[in-house]
Amino acid sequence: EAGVAQSPRYKIIEKRQSVAFWCNPISGHATLYWYQQILGQGPKLLIQFQNNGVVDDSQLPKDRFSAERLKGVDSTLKIQPAKLEDSAVYLCASSLAAGRINEQFFGPGTRLTVL
Amino acid sequence: QKEVEQDPGPLSVPEGAIVSLNCTYSNSAFQYFMWYRQYSRKGPELLMYTYSSGNKEDGRFTAQVDKSSKYISLFIRDSQPSDSATYLCASIRNSGNTPLVFGKGTRLSVIA
Repeated sequence: EAGVAQSPRYKIIEKRQSVAFWCNPISGHATLYWYQQILGQGPKLLIQFQNNGVVDDSQLPKDRFSAERLKGVDSTLKIQPAKLEDSAVYLCASSLAAGRINEQFFGPGTRLTVL
Repeated sequence: QKEVEQDPGPLSVPEGAIVSLNCTYSNSAFQYFMWYRQYSRKGPELLMYTYSSGNKEDGRFTAQVDKSSKYISLFIRDSQPSDSATYLCASIRNSGNTPLVFGKGTRLSVIA
């Protein structure tokens, strides 16, 4: 079974530029998550999708971050404009369904550096 | 106060040692407790989870939850160099769509 795919793996941009990350979840997984992991911290949920609907985006900085999951499969996360404090690893995860112990499978992440 | 607190380490132990990793949490609504392992440059992977209080064993790993003291532990017996990774504890409330709350992670090195 193929895992969660993410691209690019690394990205370096200057502040105020825009950047987009892509995620392809495990086939058949209805729930998709985007996390932000700052160096030395645990992952923090940015947004959760159930199929193509948003379940939770309470911690997404909506003035600069946006995400979509058209057709309920792939997802993109965009930052526009980027700030220095956005430097982090952006992790995508998927699970069969939402729920307490539905195991979340994580991708390798995209490491973003904002200069 | 963060909802899940975890000492970031780093923790260095010799091969074969028993490792104890710990977290505390503040939200009484948390019912499920997970341990994730994260290798360098990789995403986290679920090691094991427990519901409410008690112990759960899986091979060399034992997860323990004490709800009275809001304390979560992971024990690794006969530690191996391949166990070197960051270990993240996480908790979730007893309702369907609430998010996982992670600790900072503890970086473990097992020296051969």
